[in-house]
Amino acid sequence: SQQGEEDPQALSIQEGENATMNCSYKTSINNLQWYRQNSGRGLVHLILIRSNEREKHSGRLRVTLDTSKKSSSLLITASRAADTASYFCATAPYQTGANNLFFGTGTRLTVIP
Amino acid sequence: EAQVTQNPRYLITVTGKKLTVTCSQNMNHEYMSWYRQDPGLGLRQIYYSMNVEVTDKGDVPEGYKVSRKEKRNFPLILESPSPNQTSLYFCASRKGVGLRAGQPQHFGDGTRLSIL
Repeated sequence: SQQGEEDPQALSIQEGENATMNCSYKTSINNLQWYRQNSGRGLVHLILIRSNEREKHSGRLRVTLDTSKKSSSLLITASRAADTASYFCATAPYQTGANNLFFGTGTRLTVIP
Repeated sequence: EAQVTQNPRYLITVTGKKLTVTCSQNMNHEYMSWYRQDPGLGLRQIYYSMNVEVTDKGDVPEGYKVSRKEKRNFPLILESPSPNQTSLYFCASRKGVGLRAGQPQHFGDGTRLSIL
């Protein structure tokens, strides 16, 4: 399977702490994306990092990409209770022209107020 | 408001009874896609479409059909549903196609199908 894998599967932290989630994948990619899913809702795009980028920031989010290790991490700083959700990485493999997006199984983040 | 709209949101039906889940987007996006989400398996792509009358198989196309007669609509058809198609389904759209289309996908709120 070309799916990514997130680690850990579940993470519970106190409000104000930082949360780090990791994603590993198997094939060469065009880009890697992180999405968030609140319970019972659709996925919301958070950030996209291209294969030639190593780090990207958006507000309290920081994403890194290491193509040599085929891995990415998502850091959420100063977490809030509203950050409680599932987070998914999705890879766009290079050979399929970014038309296929392969999602991992997600990390369930719980932020305790 | 820019959005992807799926209908119905919930459906309970029986094996073999044909059903269609509609998906519509108002962003004039070229690319549309269907996914199913199952516990422990994440999201898996069923079919995608790069433009009108252009569709292609994703990871798990068996048992599903799609059509793209208009740019805004991309219905998912289950001709003869079976219990293993019980799942949460998401439609998504994106601007642009191909290698240059490093754009995020916009998702609908999902359709929960139960096939008895």
